[in-house]
Amino acid sequence: EIVLTQSPATLSLSPGERATLSCGASQSVSSSYLAWYQQKPGLAPRLLIYDASSRATGIPDRFSGSGSGTDFTLTISRLEPEDFAVYYCQQYGSSPYTFGQGTKLEIK
Amino acid sequence: QVQLVQSGAEVKKPGASVKVSCKASGYTFTSYGISWVRQAPGQGLEWMGWISAYNGNTNYAQKLQGRVTMTTDTSTSTAYMELRSLRSDDTAVYYCARVRLRSWFDPWGQGTLVTVSS
Repeated sequence: EIVLTQSPATLSLSPGERATLSCGASQSVSSSYLAWYQQKPGLAPRLLIYDASSRATGIPDRFSGSGSGTDFTLTISRLEPEDFAVYYCQQYGSSPYTFGQGTKLEIK
Repeated sequence: QVQLVQSGAEVKKPGASVKVSCKASGYTFTSYGISWVRQAPGQGLEWMGWISAYNGNTNYAQKLQGRVTMTTDTSTSTAYMELRSLRSDDTAVYYCARVRLRSWFDPWGQGTLVTVSS
């Protein structure tokens, strides 16, 4: 089973700042089959990024993903108030399709 | 638009079973699969398994093997997840999501809260 470790657990930033969230895998994620999701309280997760760097339909271009192998990054270039939420990475290259434990992005 | 609508909240006693439904619309149901993910209160996301709506093939998380069954009804474009021998630590919000083999999860259903309590 591929274990995904996200860091930091909590990130405190202000609107307008740049956010960098990391996701490390215990073994290489095949074909960069890695996604990022955003979850707000009481709501289902929403797909942001798939295949490590492709933005999902309707996702603003301030969200970008990068990385390969065992190290992946989600970057939000300029934080908007609606971006404060919990972010999860997930690998879908090998079963079981595991999730990271999440990074909470909170307003400073 | 593509949409997954799940059944309502359930309260069950320990040892009972629960069956959650997920009705799909806006796409060809048999061209995709459905994954189920759960989230215990205040916790992260846990993948439970996957079913192909094309041929009914399944792949379950090892920790749930023997307690979970996923099925589909192609006549109504509905997927089902049944969990048996419920325990208190099965209390969670259960989500369905559209998937393809080795693909991302999108979209997700709204979630179904299952509470297991005596």
